[in-house]
Amino acid sequence: DGGITQSPKYLFRKEGQNVTLSCEQNLNHDAMYWYRQDPGQGLRLIYYSQIVNDFQKGDIAEGYSVSREKKESFPLTVTSAQKNPTAFYLCASSTLWDRDNYGYTFGSGTRLTVV
Amino acid sequence: ILNVEQSPQSLHVQEGDSTNFTCSFPSSNFYALHWYRWETAKSPEALFVMTLNGDEKKKGRISATLNTKEGYSYLYIKGSQPEDSATYLCAFPVTGTASKLTFGTGTRLQVTL
Repeated sequence: DGGITQSPKYLFRKEGQNVTLSCEQNLNHDAMYWYRQDPGQGLRLIYYSQIVNDFQKGDIAEGYSVSREKKESFPLTVTSAQKNPTAFYLCASSTLWDRDNYGYTFGSGTRLTVV
Repeated sequence: ILNVEQSPQSLHVQEGDSTNFTCSFPSSNFYALHWYRWETAKSPEALFVMTLNGDEKKKGRISATLNTKEGYSYLYIKGSQPEDSATYLCAFPVTGTASKLTFGTGTRLQVTL
């Protein structure tokens, strides 16, 4: 079955460390996205990519980096420059060219905690 | 950042009740409006992508309507069941980037027996 796989489900990071969250899709979707959720807030966009080797900053990109070397993969690195990284991170993908059917498919999320 | 607002923030109904909630969005330069259901410990799931003023879409007991001129969408659940308990999110594309969505904070629905 096609879908999006995020790993790990839980991640603990020490102060000053970089960590990378994995996101893989086999839906042949062109676009991929990273969102962050904090308690009491809506999903906020970190980065998105509409094509391989290209990506754009979202609303809260500071302290994060991404790459899109393959269509299927869009890993997110949370760097030590991110001051408040403890949050729930969701990856999503979508098609781009069918306006009536480009609802997102989401992964199951990664909960990152700084210890 | 475009503002997407949802109300109420939370809702508690009994099994069999019908309920509805609202998503408000900027009415200018409308492209599409998305609804998602997010059950606890699961991934958000797309319910509807609505694109036309006056559109009404239905999926089982859940339906949604769209008014692009006044900038709102309603989600209705008929005969609520405990399995409908979830957070319902609406989302709106950022101007100029059809696929990049801004999400509301959601309506959390709890259905009890």
